[in-house]
Amino acid sequence: GAGVSQSPRYKVAKRGQDVALRCDPISGHVSLFWYQQALGQGPEFLTYFQNEAQLDKSGLPSDRFFAERPEGSVSTLKIQRTQQEDSAVYLCASSFFTSGSGNSYNEQFFGPGTRLTVL
Amino acid sequence: AQKITQTQPGMFVQEKEAVTLDCTYDTSDPSYGLFWYKQPSSGEMIFLIYQGSYDQQNATEGRYSLNFQKARKSANLVISASQLGDSAMYFCAMREGFGNSGYALNFGKGTSLLVTP
Repeated sequence: GAGVSQSPRYKVAKRGQDVALRCDPISGHVSLFWYQQALGQGPEFLTYFQNEAQLDKSGLPSDRFFAERPEGSVSTLKIQRTQQEDSAVYLCASSFFTSGSGNSYNEQFFGPGTRLTVL
Repeated sequence: AQKITQTQPGMFVQEKEAVTLDCTYDTSDPSYGLFWYKQPSSGEMIFLIYQGSYDQQNATEGRYSLNFQKARKSANLVISASQLGDSAMYFCAMREGFGNSGYALNFGKGTSLLVTP
């Protein structure tokens, strides 16, 4: 079956522009995560969805960042009024189990990421 | 405070040799899971191996094994018989807790591995 897909793969935005990044998780996966990976760093958690419910958005760096998953499948990460420090790779991951399943393994499958460059 | 520490920014290994990538972690939660991911230049994170905090034996997956030393809070990845295709960034990550609080992965800064002929 298909893995996690993300689009676009590359996005160049002018400072101040709004962008929308899309994530298609693996079919049937309940949990969906967004991570931000700055150049030369490891991924950092942004937000987590269980089906359509956004259970944790503590990692979103500012109120310019907004994520949604209205039907519990596809998710969109929106960044308003982009700034140069938003330049990074945005990774989406999905997993079958929910956070409270008692399963610490709960492997997360990652998409290829969207590389955002803000000029 | 950094929860995952990878002290080796870059490593070289000759093809067919074994290599160890270091990872130490910091948590006060008795329940946690440790993961290693490979990230080639294409950017996708590829899951390699998992170790649970209550697992009695070190995890192994093909050429990958995890040297889990709980008292020292270390979870080093050992790659045996290195191949040219192993050249990539390697990330150690931890998930704390088995309950509702345990879902996001905390990643280290990664180690760049280069396998030479």
